[in-house]
Amino acid sequence: QKEVEQNSGPLSVPEGAIASLNCTYSDRGSQSFFWYRQYSGKSPELIMFIYSNGDKEDGRFTAQLNKASQYVSLLIRDSQPSDSATYLCAANNFNKFYFGSGTKLNVKP
Amino acid sequence: GAVVSQHPSRVICKSGTSVKIECRSLDFQATTMFWYRQFPKQSLMLMATSNEGSKATYEQGVEKDKFLINHASLTLSTLTVTSAHPEDSSFYICSASLTGTGDTEAFFGQGTRLTVV
Repeated sequence: QKEVEQNSGPLSVPEGAIASLNCTYSDRGSQSFFWYRQYSGKSPELIMFIYSNGDKEDGRFTAQLNKASQYVSLLIRDSQPSDSATYLCAANNFNKFYFGSGTKLNVKP
Repeated sequence: GAVVSQHPSRVICKSGTSVKIECRSLDFQATTMFWYRQFPKQSLMLMATSNEGSKATYEQGVEKDKFLINHASLTLSTLTVTSAHPEDSSFYICSASLTGTGDTEAFFGQGTRLTVV
């Protein structure tokens, strides 16, 4: 398996704060990177993807990619209790998705 | 987004029996589908790539004779867990990829919770 590493957490942030989730990957051949949110017992749901170096913003979410450092991050602004979930980072290598173990985020009201 | 339907959502079976899980792409054709397994508090582990009209490609360490994959049409892939044992109890998830103007996105089925007793 291609390695994708994430801190398991839990990461606890107060409501309204910025949550920062990080991910590193080992395969330089990975073409694009995805962030999924997974609630307990449910399938992952896509938040956003990124394939170019730099930042990509979508609403309260910003993905950041640094291919030289093999590093991907997800920032969640104005965190809400409903954002509490496990966030999975995935690297896409020729249409195969390799997932990290996920970071559990707790947003406290 | 595209819809991938997985059935059943939950199944309990006796040890030694076989279980079939279906994965359908409802509004697009998927020449390739993927099967994942997820143990509690662990990540999704790619098991195999299901190719329409040809044999599946299995990841290292995954027994192809135990996890039979059939991609019978452009909208249906099935995973059969043969001679299931309690250690096969897991959350099985399928996905199908769709390439758009930007990039390839994976759409996931609802997952199947398999419990082998």
